Amino acid sequence: AQKITQTQPGMFVQEKEAVTLDCTYDTSDPSYGLFWYKQPSSGEMIFLIYQGSYDQQNATEGRYSLNFQKARKSANLVISASQLGDSAMYFCAMREGTNNAGNMLTFGGGTRLMVKP
Amino acid sequence: KAGVTQTPRYLIKTRGQQVTLSCSPISGHRSVSWYQQTPGQGLQFLFEYFSETQRNKGNFPGRFSGRQFSNSRSEMNVSTLELGDSALYLCASSLVPRTSGKDEQFFGPGTRLTVL
Repeated sequence: AQKITQTQPGMFVQEKEAVTLDCTYDTSDPSYGLFWYKQPSSGEMIFLIYQGSYDQQNATEGRYSLNFQKARKSANLVISASQLGDSAMYFCAMREGTNNAGNMLTFGGGTRLMVKP
Repeated sequence: KAGVTQTPRYLIKTRGQQVTLSCSPISGHRSVSWYQQTPGQGLQFLFEYFSETQRNKGNFPGRFSGRQFSNSRSEMNVSTLELGDSALYLCASSLVPRTSGKDEQFFGPGTRLTVL
């Protein structure tokens, strides 16, 4: 079974609108972390946001927020006020266990976001 | 603060050769992980080093190996290159143990390896 599933291979969004990128995960470990990364065409993976399994509140970082629904095992990324520079691949990833035990990330297949002017 | 650096950025090798890639983590980060990214398999974990010890390993053949030095810099080596080893190789550094509730893993720009 896939541990991280991103069901949207590609998405379009109009500039200045908000967009939600879906991510569902599967783990039996009570301690885990969820990450979102942006990968522009240059190839570098840019860290966007992190949500810990025990965090009580949804994570936010500027225009990025994470809609964390633990019971549904989903961790959707919300980008508000899309900009042309947001066009890129977006990856959801999970680390199982605490990072003191290991930092291995399992990645989803990614979503290609295209922002239209 | 300087980010994660990887050298070289691009490499072209032929089948059967071996290659060594280098990764320097963010200052103070002691964990370095390596990933392989290909169009067909996506992003796959290779191994993680922490305090000069490999503490996690992905499902890759023994041709893939790595090490970490006392200054936390890491190298990975691929011997007897195959066409399928053509990929973007990314390394990530992380602060362990965490000093805050937030976990962050920062990636370098990657090394793009082409095997002919």
